[in-house]
Amino acid sequence: SAVISQKPSRDICQRGTSLTIQCQVDSQVTMMFWYRQQPGQSLTLIATANQGSEATYESGFVIDKFPISRPNLTFSTLTVSNMSPEDSSIYLCSVAGTVGDEKLFFGSGTQLSVL
Amino acid sequence: DAKTTQPPSMDCAEGRAANLPCNHSTISGNEYVYWYRQIHSQGPQYIIHGLKNNETNEMASLIITEDRKSSTLILPHATLRDTAVYYCIVRVQGAQKLVFGQGTRLTINP
Repeated sequence: SAVISQKPSRDICQRGTSLTIQCQVDSQVTMMFWYRQQPGQSLTLIATANQGSEATYESGFVIDKFPISRPNLTFSTLTVSNMSPEDSSIYLCSVAGTVGDEKLFFGSGTQLSVL
Repeated sequence: DAKTTQPPSMDCAEGRAANLPCNHSTISGNEYVYWYRQIHSQGPQYIIHGLKNNETNEMASLIITEDRKSSTLILPHATLRDTAVYYCIVRVQGAQKLVFGQGTRLTINP
């Protein structure tokens, strides 16, 4: 299994500002994903963070709003830009296990509140 | 990925078996059935997965019908700590990403 650390665990931000969320894994992984969970809702995939290339975004999510970095095989960041109250959600980092292991592992998430 | 249908909520008494159903009538031959759960304020946790045979591990059992159009997750002796939202997901092997539905909110009552 992979141990995932997300920072910050929670934050309260002002409208119009940006927040960068960090995801650190204790082992090298090929695939890293970012999810959003709005209050009372299920998880929605934002993007796949690709090492050495631009992230792959799902429908409804764009790079200008959610820029993602993946500088190496153990680390990724998600930035929530120009925040509005509608961005208040839990943001979760997820990683795929080793090749042949089909499980995904999740961090404990970042609880974001935008005022 | 095929769509799944789960009841929005269920209750179960502590110590009894919790049986969570999932319909996936459009599942393809190369799609696996996965179960995850999310305990309040935590990230989702993997429980079990299977293709067509029944599976059992230390957490649960997974029963998949012969036509693979539905499955049941069984928690044999539910405890209060099993209170969570349970997600049934179908996914092509190697596809990596998971697409979550609404899940079933399971409440274990003392």
